Amino acid sequence: AQKVTQAQTEISVVEKEDVTLDCVYETRDTTYYLFWYKQPPSGELVFLIRRNSFDEQNEISGRYSWNFQKSTSSFNFTITASQVVDSAVYFCALPGRGYNKLIFGAGTRLAVHP
Amino acid sequence: EPEVTQTPSHQVTQMGQEVILRCVPISNHLYFYWYRQILGQKVEFLVSFYNNEISEKSEIFDDQFSVERPDGSNFTLKIRSTKLEDSAMYFCASSRDRGATPNTGELFFGEGSRLTVL
Repeated sequence: AQKVTQAQTEISVVEKEDVTLDCVYETRDTTYYLFWYKQPPSGELVFLIRRNSFDEQNEISGRYSWNFQKSTSSFNFTITASQVVDSAVYFCALPGRGYNKLIFGAGTRLAVHP
Repeated sequence: EPEVTQTPSHQVTQMGQEVILRCVPISNHLYFYWYRQILGQKVEFLVSFYNNEISEKSEIFDDQFSVERPDGSNFTLKIRSTKLEDSAMYFCASSRDRGATPNTGELFFGEGSRLTVL
């Protein structure tokens, strides 16, 4: 079955620290896509990234980077030099079979303190 | 930038009352979804909708729930007889396509409608 596990419930860091959010997934599909969404305190869900299983290259976007490792079924998210504005809940997600939905992990709440 | 809009932002209702949550998806999107998030918990899929019919629904989406696209722009979620456990944030989302091909499938979410059932 399709499943996403985010084992870290909460992480607390001090500003400027680097932080990595873990995501482990299970899928029966041979090709698939993985997503990260951010939910700031205001509550909306903000799309961050989509990666497909063809491409295991790490991706960097400013202070954000993603490490996709098919061998360990992981798609980890690193924030470099964290800032208070990064405080949010971060969700990893995987399409369900048939691509009619996204399956979200439980989320990791990140608190960045000044 | 086009966005998904939801109304109301917050609704308080009495148990047993009917509630309709409204969504205006992005205009050129074809796939529509409802998700819910009970406070502090994960985002749960309710239903997906395409071509005027339900594509998939979850176990949560029982006979008390229905969806409709009454015109070319709105997408509604109706809860016929609300229960206390229906209290949650309800998110509408839309996508241009299903995501079965590369570089597709991004869901755009609205800001959510918070439902409080007393």
